[in-house]
Amino acid sequence: EPEVTQTPSHQVTQMGQEVILRCVPISNHLYFYWYRQILGQKVEFLVSFYNNEISEKSEIFDDQFSVERPDGSNFTLKIRSTKLEDSAMYFCASKTGARGNQPQHFGDGTRLSIL
Amino acid sequence: QKEVEQDPGPLSVPEGAIVSLNCTYSNSAFQYFMWYRQYSRKGPELLMYTYSSGNKEDGRFTAQVDKSSKYISLFIRDSQPSDSATYLCAMSLILTGGGNKLTFGTGTQLKVEL
Repeated sequence: EPEVTQTPSHQVTQMGQEVILRCVPISNHLYFYWYRQILGQKVEFLVSFYNNEISEKSEIFDDQFSVERPDGSNFTLKIRSTKLEDSAMYFCASKTGARGNQPQHFGDGTRLSIL
Repeated sequence: QKEVEQDPGPLSVPEGAIVSLNCTYSNSAFQYFMWYRQYSRKGPELLMYTYSSGNKEDGRFTAQVDKSSKYISLFIRDSQPSDSATYLCAMSLILTGGGNKLTFGTGTQLKVEL
């Protein structure tokens, strides 16, 4: 069964450094998402992306964050200058068409640790 | 009031028991309702999704939605130790761009004991 893949599984970065998290969504999917989960807290929506542009972003997704689909397969989340509070699991998700009842499929996440 | 409320547990049951997991929500604009299972250090795995009030069954799992009460449930019959995981309820709006942002509950940690 096709799956969403994320790399790396664990990223350790010094505070203030830039980090890029990578995702390969399921190949025929059109909508792409990033969520994060701080340890012990709920999964939170960050951003949705469709047709090469952001369709919605949360208040967490400030100017330090950006997303990109640089080619036909990858979807990336960049954090420009990381803060300690950016430490979390970051999940990429994708779904197929526009109908609301198409479920989102999640990758296994990247654990980001900011030192 | 939180948009989605879910008892975090932990919930411990003996093997073979019927498990009932619940969420309440406050936003009547939610249109689709999902249950995800999350094992430790893994991503959420979709178990069930539904968009209408009533029951939906898939094997040992039954999802129930009551939109009038803003209440959803997941029932697991004949629970197995492999069902031990965190269960997340999630709900979605339809975004103007056509996608659907998910709002999650905090998750209920379930342990099924031999």
